[in-house]
Amino acid sequence: AQKVTQAQTEISVVEKEDVTLDCVYETRDTTYYLFWYKQPPSGELVFLIRRNSFDEQNEISGRYSWNFQKSTSSFNFTITASQVVDSAVYFCALSEAPWGDMRFGAGTRLTVKP
Amino acid sequence: NAGVTQTPKFQVLKTGQSMTLQCAQDMNHEYMSWYRQDPGMGLRLIHYSVGAGITDQGEVPNGYNVSRSTTEDFPLRLLSAAPSQTSVYFCASRRDLTTGLTDTQYFGPGTRLTVL
Repeated sequence: AQKVTQAQTEISVVEKEDVTLDCVYETRDTTYYLFWYKQPPSGELVFLIRRNSFDEQNEISGRYSWNFQKSTSSFNFTITASQVVDSAVYFCALSEAPWGDMRFGAGTRLTVKP
Repeated sequence: NAGVTQTPKFQVLKTGQSMTLQCAQDMNHEYMSWYRQDPGMGLRLIHYSVGAGITDQGEVPNGYNVSRSTTEDFPLRLLSAAPSQTSVYFCASRRDLTTGLTDTQYFGPGTRLTVL
């Protein structure tokens, strides 16, 4: 069965620090899809990135970067030079098949202090 | 495109009352689902549908019913509300993930439900 673990419940950093949010997943499928979502204090879910299991390329988008490692079943998210606006709950999610349901980790609450 | 819409945004019920949470999407997505979000537990899947007339249970289906008569709408019914159903409910929709390599699941704004 698919499972996503975000071991870090809460992280607090000072502005401009770099921070990495961990995500470890479990699946028996060879094809699967990984996602990161951001939930700011306003409550909506904002899509950040999708990674397919057959594409292990890491990705950088501005201050955000993602490290996908199949060997360790991890899909970690790094924010460089964090800002107060990055304060939110971040969710990692896994879908085992194109039509499969999406399972979420418990989320990591990131607080960036000025 | 309005995306995924949910009504109401807030609702307070008394134990035993019934109600329907509405969800609609205008993106012609086949797949729709309902999640509940509770503190420290992430989002848990309640029910999902892969097309009109087809529904199935997720992780936490007890106490909830769904139906899918059209591609656009996917209402969630609470038959007899209980305090344990106090939560934030999100509706979501998406296409088959093989359709587009960057496609994702889109969420509605959520409904905050309190059962007294």
